[in-house]
Amino acid sequence: NAGVMQNPRHLVRRRGQEARLRCSPMKGHSHVYWYRQLPEEGLKFMVYLQKENIIDESGMPKERFSAEFPKEGPSILRIQQVVRGDSAAYFCASSPRGPSDTIYFGEGSWLTVV
Amino acid sequence: DQQVKQNSPSLSVQEGRISILNCDYTNSMFDYFLWYKKYPAEGPTFLISISSIKDKNEDGRFTVFLNKSAKHLSLHIVPSQPGDSAVYICAAKAGGGNKLTFGTGTQLKVEL
Repeated sequence: NAGVMQNPRHLVRRRGQEARLRCSPMKGHSHVYWYRQLPEEGLKFMVYLQKENIIDESGMPKERFSAEFPKEGPSILRIQQVVRGDSAAYFCASSPRGPSDTIYFGEGSWLTVV
Repeated sequence: DQQVKQNSPSLSVQEGRISILNCDYTNSMFDYFLWYKKYPAEGPTFLISISSIKDKNEDGRFTVFLNKSAKHLSLHIVPSQPGDSAVYICAAKAGGGNKLTFGTGTQLKVEL
């Protein structure tokens, strides 16, 4: 887990608010992935990004969720108008050259919607 | 549709003995498999992987076996140590794909 930094580690939001989760990949890694783990389930792929590009967002819910990885700064997963079902652990991962490399995970951001 | 299944939610093993963690998959397009170790409130840590062109890969105390015809893989830890106590998660990827498909994990407890 060393190197992939996620913040905040824990976030509490009321229903209808926005949640922003940030991820700084390991040094030298330009590929970022977001996964979500709902209670009692395995990690599920959400989105894969390279700098300034969304490569694969096939796992993203169609509404309220968006992700970016700007040229400068961390990748951000944004959830608008959160609902209780968004409560989960959100894990960011990174790799140096793409999905064919081993990907390394951060420690996760736990979102609780009250 | 659970494409990667870990049917044993937990496993208890004595220190020094072998731990065998099992994983089954249904998608025949999967050709790369990984095992991760996870502690509570932390992210998964990569342990070992295997490509479908192999049937075994070894790294120290950890060995992964792949049986493609049975769509089954297993992780062997020998000898098991108390520090190995964690959740072990199996993951798989289809060639050229961007995403890993994860199992739900098996909680291993290594007892003294």
